[in-house]
Amino acid sequence: EAQVTQNPRYLITVTGKKLTVTCSQNMNHEYMSWYRQDPGLGLRQIYYSMNVEVTDKGDVPEGYKVSRKEKRNFPLILESPSPNQTSLYFCASSLRPSSYEQYFGPGTRLTVT
Amino acid sequence: GDSVTQMEGPVTLSEEAFLTINCTYTATGYPSLFWYVQYPGEGLQLLLKATKADDKGSNKGFEATYRKETTSFHLEKGSVQVSDSAVYFCALSGFLYNQGGKLIFGQGTELSVKP
Repeated sequence: EAQVTQNPRYLITVTGKKLTVTCSQNMNHEYMSWYRQDPGLGLRQIYYSMNVEVTDKGDVPEGYKVSRKEKRNFPLILESPSPNQTSLYFCASSLRPSSYEQYFGPGTRLTVT
Repeated sequence: GDSVTQMEGPVTLSEEAFLTINCTYTATGYPSLFWYVQYPGEGLQLLLKATKADDKGSNKGFEATYRKETTSFHLEKGSVQVSDSAVYFCALSGFLYNQGGKLIFGQGTELSVKP
């Protein structure tokens, strides 16, 4: 089954404790992206990757890092989480960006206290 | 910059009512337009899309027409069901070379359909 998986689905952590949210897709997609969803703001892009070893900032990259060492995986790293990073996070992938459908993971709800 | 504005929710309808969710956009060039749906506790899934002016996207009884003259992409359904209760997002695709091909989303409209 074609899918995007994320882990963990729920995470409660404390300020400053490094964490990684994993994302994996099994569709051989070149393009992957991370979004955060906040009430009243819709979804905003954090980082994206055009292909292996090619990543770039989206609209809200501060406080986040990513890497793309393999085509299928695109982890999101919060090196020193803060309460303003409490949000719902989605990973997405598509064959190509722009007019192609993006497939979304189920989401990771992160709470930073 | 590019942006999407959609009608505020929540929208509450009775089963079999007609649905319209308004969406307008601001963009340079010729973006592709999308409607995504998010059911409770799930990720977003594509509902329909249109890639050029006057295209009509349709799926599961939902329709939307890409209107370049009014910069709109309103979502419609003739007869909603309880199972259509979800949050609906209008989105456009940014240009590859200056916006990373990202999706630019509206704020979402929550739809609740009562039996």
